[in-house]
Amino acid sequence: AQSVTQLGSHVSVSEGALVLLRCNYSSSVPPYLFWYVQYPNQGLQLLLKYTSAATLVKGINGFEAEFKKSETSFHLTKPSAHMSDAAEYFCAVTTNTGFQKLVFGTGTRLLVSP
Amino acid sequence: KAGVTQTPRYLIKTRGQQVTLSCSPISGHRSVSWYQQTPGQGLQFLFEYFSETQRNKGNFPGRFSGRQFSNSRSEMNVSTLELGDSALYLCASNGENTEAFFGQGTRLTVV
Repeated sequence: AQSVTQLGSHVSVSEGALVLLRCNYSSSVPPYLFWYVQYPNQGLQLLLKYTSAATLVKGINGFEAEFKKSETSFHLTKPSAHMSDAAEYFCAVTTNTGFQKLVFGTGTRLLVSP
Repeated sequence: KAGVTQTPRYLIKTRGQQVTLSCSPISGHRSVSWYQQTPGQGLQFLFEYFSETQRNKGNFPGRFSGRQFSNSRSEMNVSTLELGDSALYLCASNGENTEAFFGQGTRLTVV
């Protein structure tokens, strides 16, 4: 079975500061990992994904994440926060088992102050 | 190309009623998954359909059911609604490389 732990239900940064959202996973088989963003009253938008290719993954809106097997981590970063980055972020895991079931973390709300 | 379409966006139902939600996936996608999102439980997997067959089901009571049609459109049904069924229901259109593309969701309120 897979699981994901997101450390910190809320993260506050100033505009222009580094964004770091933490995600640790547990999986008995090689995982596929994802970061999604959700704006109020919206669905989930895929930011980036790791599917066993490059360990440093670049996504949309300047976000990137690094897969570290030794640390079972997949933290999301962005060098400089914008006000528009304020949203909730979800880390998710699945495996290539032939059917699609994402297991999500509890989410981290990113607050960006001017 | 068109994204994932979920209808309706908002719904208010009374306890004991039933409800049907609809999802039209991205053209060419044959797999659709459904998720329930609540403040208390977060995002939880309901079920996944592929080519009209349910391949996997989450830990939800039998009141929650779904189906998929030959054009890949999917519906989920909740019978005998309870207050705790109030949630955002999200449909995901699944690509072949495990990518899931989500719709805007249906916000169900049970009163």
